Amino acid sequence: AQTVTQSQPEMSVQEAETVTLSCTYDTSESDYYLFWYKQPPSRQMILVIRQEAYKQQNATENRFSVNFQKAAKSFSLKISDSQLGDAAMYFCAYWPGSARQLTFGSGTQLTVLP
Amino acid sequence: DVKVTQSSRYLVKRTGEKVFLECVQDMDHENMFWYRQDPGLGLRLIYFSYDVKMKEKGDIPEGYSVSREKKERFSLILESASTNQTSMYLCASSAFPGQGAGANVLTFGAGSRLTVL
Repeated sequence: AQTVTQSQPEMSVQEAETVTLSCTYDTSESDYYLFWYKQPPSRQMILVIRQEAYKQQNATENRFSVNFQKAAKSFSLKISDSQLGDAAMYFCAYWPGSARQLTFGSGTQLTVLP
Repeated sequence: DVKVTQSSRYLVKRTGEKVFLECVQDMDHENMFWYRQDPGLGLRLIYFSYDVKMKEKGDIPEGYSVSREKKERFSLILESASTNQTSMYLCASSAFPGQGAGANVLTFGAGSRLTVL
C-alpha cells in the first residue's frame, strides 16, 4: 500500500521568510503525480502545486516551489517570502497512474508570524 | 464560482439517526470522492465513484454507504450514526485521469462538520 508521510505536524515561519515543508512517500510505481494542497482556516481545500513523476524539472507556482527527489521518494514544498495568508494546513498527496484516488499525508499546520 | 457544493456546513445528529450528506459538482467530472478528515490522520478516503451508479470502497468504508444516481451528485449515507463518526467530511471531484492539465486535480467542497451526540 502506498503511504505518504509528513513528519512535521506543525511549523512556523516569520513573515517574508522562507519555509520548507517535508513529505516522503512510498511507492513501487514509476508513473504517478504528487500534489500539495492547502486548507486555510475557512476549510476550502485548494491545490497549491502539482508534480508529474516523469518530469525532472521541479514545479514552481509563484512563491511556491517543490524539491522533487524521485530516488529518495521525497517531495518538499518551499514557500518563499511567506505571507500571513499562507497560514494553513498543508497536505501532501500522491496519485499513482494505476489508480483513481489520492493518498494524503497527515498534514502540516503552518503558522506565519507577523 | 462555486464548483463543488456540500449541502450542509454543520450538522448535529443523535446516535442511531440516518444521516445524508449531499455533494453536487458543476464541472461535469467523472470522479467523485468522499473523504473524512480527523486531526493527526489527514484525509482518509471513504468511498469514490468514477461513473454514475458505480462506486468503490476506499480505506474506511465501514458504517457508510454512497449513492450516485446522477453524474453531478454524490451522496454519503450514514445508516445509523455513531459518536465515532463525528468528523469533518470533505467531498471532491476530478476529471478522468489524462484529460488535460486539470486531470488528477481534486476540486473540494467546503466541508461538512458532523457532530453525533
